[in-house]
Amino acid sequence: SAVISQKPSRDICQRGTSLTIQCQVDSQVTMMFWYRQQPGQSLTLIATANQGSEATYESGFVIDKFPISRPNLTFSTLTVSNMSPEDSSIYLCSASRGQGTKELFFGSGTQLSVL
Amino acid sequence: EDKVVQSPLSLVVHEGDTVTLNCSYEVTNFRSLLWYKQEKKAPTFLFMLTSSGIEKKSGRLSSILDKKELFSILNITATQTGDSAIYLCAVASNSGNTPLVFGKGTRLSVIA
Repeated sequence: SAVISQKPSRDICQRGTSLTIQCQVDSQVTMMFWYRQQPGQSLTLIATANQGSEATYESGFVIDKFPISRPNLTFSTLTVSNMSPEDSSIYLCSASRGQGTKELFFGSGTQLSVL
Repeated sequence: EDKVVQSPLSLVVHEGDTVTLNCSYEVTNFRSLLWYKQEKKAPTFLFMLTSSGIEKKSGRLSSILDKKELFSILNITATQTGDSAIYLCAVASNSGNTPLVFGKGTRLSVIA
């Protein structure tokens, strides 16, 4: 299994500011994804982080709000921009390895609270 | 649209009890079903099921898939307080690039 380091672990932010979350995987993976888990809800896919190109966003998520970078196979960032209290959530980085492999490994998550 | 429904949403049991968690799904071009345990923030992988009728087992946990009836169950025997967590079911399809679709989870609380 891949070891995924994610930071920060948690943060409390002011409305209107931005936070960048970093995700580092210990070995080369094929796919990297960002999920959000709002209180009492399941995991919702935000986007697929594509190496060296723009991320692929799911319906309801846009690049201006959640810019994502993936400069190489093992590192990705997610920025939550112009935050509002509705952005308070757990953000999870995940990765899978191999063609067609669907087993996902998850980072430790970032608990974000927006005041 | 792919859908995963888990039941019950929450469950409280005493240590030593056996529990069964349910997961039903609707997915186009099914590939696999996965179970995760989420204790704090990060879900940890439990099982991946691809074939009907073959039980996967790990210690006190076991799971089985029924592809005809489109459901899976996760059994936990002799529950312990350390089993308290949210158990997530997810399905993967061969269609498109979406990796997994998750259910809302079952929150299990095991009390001494």
